[in-house]
Amino acid sequence: EVQLVESGGGLVQPGGSLRLSCAASGFTFSSYAMHWVRQAPGKGLEYVSAISSNGGSTYYANSVKGRFTISRDNSKNTLYLQMGSLRAEDMAVYYCARESPPPTGTTHGQAFDYWGQGTLVTVSS
Amino acid sequence: EIVLTQSPGTLSLSPGERATLSCRASQSVSSSYLAWYQQKPGQAPRLLIYGASSRATGIPDRFSGSGSGTDFTLTISRLEPEDFAVYYCQQFPHTFGQGTKLEIK
Repeated sequence: EVQLVESGGGLVQPGGSLRLSCAASGFTFSSYAMHWVRQAPGKGLEYVSAISSNGGSTYYANSVKGRFTISRDNSKNTLYLQMGSLRAEDMAVYYCARESPPPTGTTHGQAFDYWGQGTLVTVSS
Repeated sequence: EIVLTQSPGTLSLSPGERATLSCRASQSVSSSYLAWYQQKPGQAPRLLIYGASSRATGIPDRFSGSGSGTDFTLTISRLEPEDFAVYYCQQFPHTFGQGTKLEIK
């Protein structure tokens, strides 16, 4: 059974830092691109960041570029999101998500087929 | 930058009725990368449809997706009580619509 379990959320002051983790199990973690998506309280889904299966390629939404760093440790089956210079608008539930396997002959998946339960990040003084 | 606009914002229907949810893109997008998700309160999103019309594993056949270019539709043929939730379309991977709330009338 595929499982994604986020941790590391909590209360942090504006300007502070936090590292989120996403522990994966039930699949070959090193074979899948992974993503972070967030959801502010009462709001919709917002894309945050992506990392390729081997960690060699990353992507960031403009809203977090230069402040957040995505990484992974395939030996530990764990995805990370290092968040810095946190702002009130970063307050959200952060989900990790697995990219679906690419169709035969292609290099990218088509959706997020598994999601973690989310971890809440609260930015407040 | 592609913008996805979902309509209506809220849809009020009764169990047994048919639901039609719309997702319109600001420019033509590849249907291969159009997905739909369902989210219930306090839960993570769940993949329903990928590639505009393919049902994800375990999704009942009352859920169907269609469309191409800039206009996409999620249809729920006969609403069950557990279908009342918020639905998001996505231009995989970077862009989500703002969501449609499907509520019980």
